[in-house]
Amino acid sequence: GAVVSQHPSWVICKSGTSVKIECRSLDFQATTMFWYRQFPKQSLMLMATSNEGSKATYEQGVEKDKFLINHASLTLSTLTVTSAHPEDSSFYICSAAGGIVSYEQYFGPGTRLTVT
Amino acid sequence: AQTVTQSQPEMSVQEAETVTLSCTYDTSESDYYLFWYKQPPSRQMILVIRQEAYKQQNATENRFSVNFQKAAKSFSLKISDSQLGDAAMYFCALAGGTSYGKLTFGQGTILTVHP
Repeated sequence: GAVVSQHPSWVICKSGTSVKIECRSLDFQATTMFWYRQFPKQSLMLMATSNEGSKATYEQGVEKDKFLINHASLTLSTLTVTSAHPEDSSFYICSAAGGIVSYEQYFGPGTRLTVT
Repeated sequence: AQTVTQSQPEMSVQEAETVTLSCTYDTSESDYYLFWYKQPPSRQMILVIRQEAYKQQNATENRFSVNFQKAAKSFSLKISDSQLGDAAMYFCALAGGTSYGKLTFGQGTILTVHP
């Protein structure tokens, strides 16, 4: 149990365009979802926390208007990178909490974003 | 603020040997949880082991065990009988207080397993 999926697993987009990444909890209702960014051989950096039906809480230094997060249901959260630039190229990971072990996060497989 | 520190950027071990990864943390919370995650080349985060701070007994999961020293705020991971599949980046993480779900990660340790 506690499976989280992400789509797409890899996306390439042109500079200036927007790209949407979906995160779904497949077998449990996720009260809270988290979005992370990770550069090669580095740790995960929390970008934002989202709760179903309310506005996301962004970490300091994360541009709210560039990284739009919507948590429309208890099983789906989306991250939209608006007006993407090459420096937005990274690995984005979502996680979800609210499973059987309430304090535990379950991670999606990640999405590799390349902006050309 | 919570902090997690992994002071070993890289570690290596021979297959079948034992290796210990270090982690120290700092938190003002009295109730918190500690985790070790593994991230193999696929980059999927995998939970290795968890420890509730209120439990004195060290957690164990098959070949993986922790040495939880609450007073010293230390949480090391011991991998016994290391296997090639254990090669990965390992992250120590802390969740505590009113925001149980929010994790603070350490910098990570890259573990290489030599055949």
